[in-house]
Formats: sequence, structure tokens, C-alpha cells
Amino acid sequence: NAGVTQTPKFQVLKTGQSMTLQCAQDMNHEYMSWYRQDPGMGLRLIHYSVGAGITDQGEVPNGYNVSRSTTEDFPLRLLSAAPSQTSVYFCASSTGQDGGSPLHFGNGTRLTVT
Amino acid sequence: RKEVEQDPGPFNVPEGATVAFNCTYSNSASQSFFWYRQDCRKEPKLLMSVYSSGNEDGRFTAQLNRASQYISLLIRDSKLSDSATYLCVVNPNTGKLIFGQGTTLQVKP
Repeated sequence: NAGVTQTPKFQVLKTGQSMTLQCAQDMNHEYMSWYRQDPGMGLRLIHYSVGAGITDQGEVPNGYNVSRSTTEDFPLRLLSAAPSQTSVYFCASSTGQDGGSPLHFGNGTRLTVT
Repeated sequence: RKEVEQDPGPFNVPEGATVAFNCTYSNSASQSFFWYRQDCRKEPKLLMSVYSSGNEDGRFTAQLNRASQYISLLIRDSKLSDSATYLCVVNPNTGKLIFGQGTTLQVKP
């Protein structure tokens, strides 16, 4: 049982480049979410999904897109990378659909935008 | 006022000490609460869930005070391996969990 798998672990982008951070879970969780973590800021919610075909914005959605075509996958797209998006990104999933159950986190993706 | 507030610390304690962290939350409708542990910017890992007045697991005890809107985490007999950042997480029943900044604990020999 792999849990929540994120790829890549590290990425360096130039300003203006686009990329997709992958997230997959094999626990049949309905709820999936993306967070970014910056020093002194804690974890901030970017986007979340309560099931396949349903997504919604979190606290800091600008510059990011998501889709949820299957229960298992929840990719995060950076359309035009900016230095302000340098951060550590965590994908997380949980049972239920209200976001109130404990989250299971992936290992994180460390992104640097130059 | 932030939705979830924690003292960032660091808390420096000797091995064997008892240490307590508090976390305050602003939304009185919040129903469930969690403590996560995070090591060196690795992924957060669930330490305890709190759905009623409190929870205990070995050396760790979490208490919920709904009247004053705070939860606490007590660690007894601290070990070197307890050194980490402890994240307070609140479910305000909006579909989105809210994370505190975290409290850093350093246990010294």
C-alpha cells in the first residue's frame, strides 16, 4: 500500500515555464488537496477536491490549476512559474468529503523557480 | 486574529521533561482537531485526533477546551526523538482544514 505518491521530489524551473506536479493515492479516498509550505507561513491550502470531477479553490489558488478526472489522481499545474511559487508542495488525501478527517500526506515536492 | 494560532517557539527542554503546547482557534463551530508532527520539512504525520474533550496515547495527551477555544498537547518524559515541529490543525466545518504555523520543540540531552 503506497499511500499518497508525489512526483517529482525536486524541480527547478525558470520563470515563465509550466509544469505539472503529480499526486496519486491508492486508498480510495474521496478528498484530495494541495498545500504549499513556506517558512513562517505554515501550510496553506491551494486547491482541493471532494471527489472525481469536483474541485474548489483554497486559500492561495492564483497561478495554479487542478483537475480530478479519477478518484486516484489530483495533478497540480503551474501555468507560468514565478519566483513567488518557490515552495514545498504537499498533496494530501482523506476519507469522507468534508475535509474533517485526518489527512495523509505525500512526501512533498520541493520547487525552486529562478 | 488568525484562525489558528500557535507559539512558534522554539521550546528547548531537557530529556525527561514535561512540555505543553497550546493552540487557539477562532471559529467556535469547529468540531474536530488534530495534532501533526513534522520533521525537518518532511511531510506532516498525524500524531493525535481530538473529537471530544481530549485524547491520550502513551506519553502524549491532547486536551480540548471549547469554552476558551484552545487545544493543548502535553508530552511527558520527553525523548530526544520528540524534537520536531508540532502542527495544530482545526476543522472549522467548511470543508477545509486550517493549519497553525507550528511549534518547534528541541529536546536536549
